[in-house]
Amino acid sequence: GENVEQHPSTLSVQEGDSAVIKCTYSDSASNYFPWYKQELGKGPQLIIDIRSNVGEKKDQRIAVTLNKTAKHFSLHITETQPEDSAVYFCAASRGNDMRFGAGTRLTVKP
Amino acid sequence: GAVVSQHPSRVICKSGTSVKIECRSLDFQATTMFWYRQFPKQSLMLMATSNEGSKATYEQGVEKDKFLINHASLTLSTLTVTSAHPEDSSFYICSAPRSANGNTIYFGEGSWLTVV
Repeated sequence: GENVEQHPSTLSVQEGDSAVIKCTYSDSASNYFPWYKQELGKGPQLIIDIRSNVGEKKDQRIAVTLNKTAKHFSLHITETQPEDSAVYFCAASRGNDMRFGAGTRLTVKP
Repeated sequence: GAVVSQHPSRVICKSGTSVKIECRSLDFQATTMFWYRQFPKQSLMLMATSNEGSKATYEQGVEKDKFLINHASLTLSTLTVTSAHPEDSSFYICSAPRSANGNTIYFGEGSWLTVV
């Protein structure tokens, strides 16, 4: 089955700096890679996703890159703000079979 | 706004009792929904896949007689924790794929269960 690894587990940045979270996956058949933001006590919220036919996608301060050959994808957050502080999960899926990374706790210091 | 809704958001129950958590897709039909369990500071653990009109598919190690799943309609799946014990206390989250968005999976707000 699919195995998703996520790094780092914790990340602390200064407000205004960029944050990068990286994930690798094992199943070459996976074709959908979403990123979720989870605030304390709430359900995960989809922030951006990318499909296997695209190498990069950007939405304002958030971007995701995908390298299918190497089987890794990354989340980039620029100009970080304190409200970006949360746990971020990457996921990889084929059809409805979605597997999650262990999560990255991002702290943005004002 | 939310596309998947869970209820209740928080529930406290006594040991030995059962508690039901509902998961609804708000403006779309979902023949499949997923139930997750999340412990503090950990990732989401898939418990089972809920299939409309048929039996749920449980992940290895999840007791199907303890965590009853019913997907009676295309917009509602329920998870019933039977004979609850304190170790069942956790954050339970459901999700559903929305076909209109290329099967993008949306999560509910989660339900905190505390068994006392």
